[in-house]
Amino acid sequence: EAGVAQSPRYKIIEKRQSVAFWCNPISGHATLYWYQQILGQGPKLLIQFQNNGVVDDSQLPKDRFSAERLKGVDSTLKIQPAKLEDSAVYLCASGGVGETQYFGPGTRLLVL
Amino acid sequence: GENVGLHLPTLSVQEGDNSIINCAYSNSASDYFIWYKQESGKGPQFIIDIRSNMDKRQGQRVTVLLNKTVKHLSLQIAATQPGDSAVYFCAEKIQGGSEKLVFGKGTKLTVNP
Repeated sequence: EAGVAQSPRYKIIEKRQSVAFWCNPISGHATLYWYQQILGQGPKLLIQFQNNGVVDDSQLPKDRFSAERLKGVDSTLKIQPAKLEDSAVYLCASGGVGETQYFGPGTRLLVL
Repeated sequence: GENVGLHLPTLSVQEGDNSIINCAYSNSASDYFIWYKQESGKGPQFIIDIRSNMDKRQGQRVTVLLNKTVKHLSLQIAATQPGDSAVYFCAEKIQGGSEKLVFGKGTKLTVNP
């Protein structure tokens, strides 16, 4: 079974630039999550989708972060404009309703 | 509040020894707990989970113990191997919530040959 796919794996940008990350969840998984993991910390949920609807975005900095899952499968997370403190690993995870979350390899973002 | 993951930040063991990684949680409404392993440069990998109606669950070389009285969770790894070296995170899900997982800060396990 293919796992969660993410791209790009690495990204370096300058502050105030924009960046977008892509996630393809495990086939059939209705729920998709985006997490931010700052170095030395555990992942922190940014947004949760069930199918193409947002379930929880309470910790998403909506002034600069946005995410969508238009067809209920793939998802993109965008940061515009980026700040230095956005440097982190952005993890995508997917799962069935009420089931374990499975993580992708992450996108490592460095904002200079 | 959310306070998952009181722990020793690092743990060093000898190959072949048993490892115990601890985690404390503060939300009594949490009903589902997961242990993840994260190797350098990779995403968290599911190890084992336990629901709040259980005290113990065993997998291959791993056992999770849940003590709801003191809100404590532990991961035991038997016959630790160099490939077990990684950061281990506990995560909790609050009952009736949005499936949101709250992660602790993690414990870095180093296995010495």
